[in-house]
Amino acid sequence: KAGVTQTPRYLIKTRGQQVTLSCSPISGHRSVSWYQQTPGQGLQFLFEYFSETQRNKGNFPGRFSGRQFSNSRSEMNVSTLELGDSALYLCASTAVGQSYEQYFGPGTRLTVT
Amino acid sequence: KQEVTQIPAALSVPEGENLVLNCSFTDSAIYNLQWFRQDPGKGLTSLLLIQSSQREQTSGRLNASLDKSSGRSTLYIAASQPGDSATYLCAVDQAGTALIFGKGTTLSVSS
Repeated sequence: KAGVTQTPRYLIKTRGQQVTLSCSPISGHRSVSWYQQTPGQGLQFLFEYFSETQRNKGNFPGRFSGRQFSNSRSEMNVSTLELGDSALYLCASTAVGQSYEQYFGPGTRLTVT
Repeated sequence: KQEVTQIPAALSVPEGENLVLNCSFTDSAIYNLQWFRQDPGKGLTSLLLIQSSQREQTSGRLNASLDKSSGRSTLYIAASQPGDSATYLCAVDQAGTALIFGKGTTLSVSS
């Protein structure tokens, strides 16, 4: 089975712009979660989608949003980028109803200048 | 609010040594606990998942234990190798799919 894939792998944006990141889960996994990793805060949960619905949300401002499509692929969007949004963004997929083990993709490295 | 702490933050050992990484959490109401490995600049690789009803899990040279009542988990690595050098992260799941991570232990194994 193919693993979790994320595109793009690297991205450089300017303050004030917006960005969209994409995540394709493992085939058959219907839950996708997003995390932000920074040197200062470590790994923090952003939100989780299951069957196209957001089920859980972390403590991030409304500039961070996401969605999930009927094929379970997910996108996250960050609007009005700030320097502090520079981070590694990771998504994970889970086969809900089984072990709830989360499998992570390689991440998208976002740099905001 | 759940908090996850990993001690030590960094560890250096010679090849062949057995070692233990520690993880503690403040709220025992968890679904499961997962250990991950992260190489520099890369994503996370799942090592072991322990469900809340289990006490330990083993995979090869790795053994993870869970004591919910005391809020502790340990990851035991036997006969360490230079290829084990990485950051090891512990995460607890309280909501079914929202992991709360510790800051990690960076392990360096010298040959």
